[in-house]
Amino acid sequence: KQEVTQIPAALSVPEGENLVLNCSFTDSAIYNLQWFRQDPGKGLTSLLLIQSSQREQTSGRLNASLDKSSGRSTLYIAASQPGDSATYLCAVTNSGYALNFGKGTSLLVTP
Amino acid sequence: GAVVSQHPSWVICKSGTSVKIECRSLDFQATTMFWYRQFPKQSLMLMATSNEGSKATYEQGVEKDKFLINHASLTLSTLTVTSAHPEDSSFYICSAPKDRDYEQYFGPGTRLTVT
Repeated sequence: KQEVTQIPAALSVPEGENLVLNCSFTDSAIYNLQWFRQDPGKGLTSLLLIQSSQREQTSGRLNASLDKSSGRSTLYIAASQPGDSATYLCAVTNSGYALNFGKGTSLLVTP
Repeated sequence: GAVVSQHPSWVICKSGTSVKIECRSLDFQATTMFWYRQFPKQSLMLMATSNEGSKATYEQGVEKDKFLINHASLTLSTLTVTSAHPEDSSFYICSAPKDRDYEQYFGPGTRLTVT
């Protein structure tokens, strides 16, 4: 059974800092990996999708990498802003195409 | 992108009643949809896979007679929580893959409170 772990569980940084969120998964036979953002009491916003054949994806200040063989992904956020404060979820797709989610990293960016 | 809607966005019901939640893919057809549940401060857990024209597949520990899923068309899946109890209070969210890269598009979620 696929297990997805996210470290750290919570993170607080001052505005402007670059930061890295980590995600690991136990079964490397994935189709893809997605990073999501969830604001309190809200649904999910898809940030980046990395296919199993890809190494990284970039969108604006966000960069996600994937090392499928070692079962790891990182989400890099450059020049963090208070508006980046949210919970970030990592999820992988195995056979059956449903997502297995980590527990998330709760990020607080202070002004 | 692709759009998935859910209705209602929130609902309060009394214990023992049933509640139906709709999940619609607005601009694409979805032969498969997924239903997730999220308890406070927890991550999303897959409840079931909804398949158009056939029976849903439930995850271990999810009661199929309590959480009725119907996927009658390529754009609509419904989740009915039957005889709801306070412990069923949760955030229910659906998703659907649009195409071959299996990127999942999520609905905005439904917050259910059972009193």
